[in-house]
Amino acid sequence: DAGVIQSPRHEVTEMGQEVTLRCKPISGHNSLFWYRQTMMRGLELLIYFNNNVPIDDSGMPEDRFSAKMPNASFSTLKIQPSEPRDSAVYFCASSLTDTEAFFGQGTRLTVV
Amino acid sequence: AQSVTQLGSHVSVSEGALVLLRCNYSSSVPPYLFWYVQYPNQGLQLLLKYTTGATLVKGINGFEAEFKKSETSFHLTKPSAHMSDAAEYFCAVSDYYSGNTPLVFGKGTRLSVIA
Repeated sequence: DAGVIQSPRHEVTEMGQEVTLRCKPISGHNSLFWYRQTMMRGLELLIYFNNNVPIDDSGMPEDRFSAKMPNASFSTLKIQPSEPRDSAVYFCASSLTDTEAFFGQGTRLTVV
Repeated sequence: AQSVTQLGSHVSVSEGALVLLRCNYSSSVPPYLFWYVQYPNQGLQLLLKYTTGATLVKGINGFEAEFKKSETSFHLTKPSAHMSDAAEYFCAVSDYYSGNTPLVFGKGTRLSVIA
């Protein structure tokens, strides 16, 4: 398996623009997690899905953030409008019951 | 609520020296504990995990960790550091071992290895 695939790897956008981050989990995995990594706050859970259903989105910082998982093989994290403080590395991870979480290589977002 | 504290945001060791990265956790129920490693511009990779049973856990690349309930600790060690061990290390906790439950991570410890 190719592992968890995230796109794009790098994204530079202007403040106010919409940003969409994409994630393809490992085939067969039934849980998907979105994390954000910053120097100040470390790794923070934003939202997670079990069987495509959002379970906990309490980590989503504001209404500007939204996430969807329309099917078992695809998820998106959208920021609209983006702000400079959203600059971070965003990780997607997937897992099965009784396995650890497998992480993608992340998307480095820079909002200028 | 669970939490993880990693003591020391940056640890520097000489090549061949002992590596010790400290992790303390807080959990209201028996914890399941993990160490992940992150190389530059990469995602996180699992080093080792403790679920139940033997408290000394061996992982990849010669690392091991010991679960000490009385000390609420799960420190990571390696007898002899290699240059390739330079990376960021994250300790994480979950309430029970289910891949469907998100992990709570510590802030990370950056390990530097000096030749």
